[in-house]
Amino acid sequence: QLQLQESGPGLVKPSETLSLICTVSGASIRSGTYYWAWIRQSPGKGPEWIGSSYYTGSPYYNPSLKSRVHISVDTSRNQVYLNVTSVTAADSSVYYCARPQQPFWSGGPMDVWGKGTTVTVSS
Amino acid sequence: EIVLTQSPGTLSLSPGERATLSCWASQSISSTYLAWYQQKPGQAPRLLIYDSSTRATGIPDRFSGSGSGTDFTLTISRLEPEDFAFYYCQQYFSTPNSFGQGTKLEIK
Repeated sequence: QLQLQESGPGLVKPSETLSLICTVSGASIRSGTYYWAWIRQSPGKGPEWIGSSYYTGSPYYNPSLKSRVHISVDTSRNQVYLNVTSVTAADSSVYYCARPQQPFWSGGPMDVWGKGTTVTVSS
Repeated sequence: EIVLTQSPGTLSLSPGERATLSCWASQSISSTYLAWYQQKPGQAPRLLIYDSSTRATGIPDRFSGSGSGTDFTLTISRLEPEDFAFYYCQQYFSTPNSFGQGTKLEIK
């Protein structure tokens, strides 16, 4: 059964880079069937799609974050990475790794989610 | 970016009652590109409905979705205790995909 597990530091200082890892188990990223997405949710708000990447690269990003976000994939480790640079308090959120329901879609309904990891931006 | 507005912000009902949740899009997203999620505290969102009206795998038939264009509805026919949660709509007609701000369904 496909499972996604996010990991990374829970506390990041303002202006620094937030780096998270999504470890995929139960399926091989290298199979190339799916994109892999990052979504975040600030307290009391709806989720926000950050971006998605295919196993070969070719990421798609939310234009509102595009200048600060980078998503990459390591097929040998079966992991997906998220970097967000120059963070501020507004980047404090629960960050989720998710898989789109439809093969070869970078977005759309997400039918598999990790449990999420909370990141707080504070000095 | 397409903005989704959900109404009401909070809905207070009793088990056994019918719940009707609304989602309005700032521009037409046809009749296909809308999904609904349920989220309980401390958990990730769970996909309930996609393509406006298709139930996801394992979702009970008391959940139904409808709508087209800019107006969409999630209906829960008879509320069970486990249905009290937050609900979010998502459009995937255009990039970036966007979510509504949510409706809290609480026990009256």
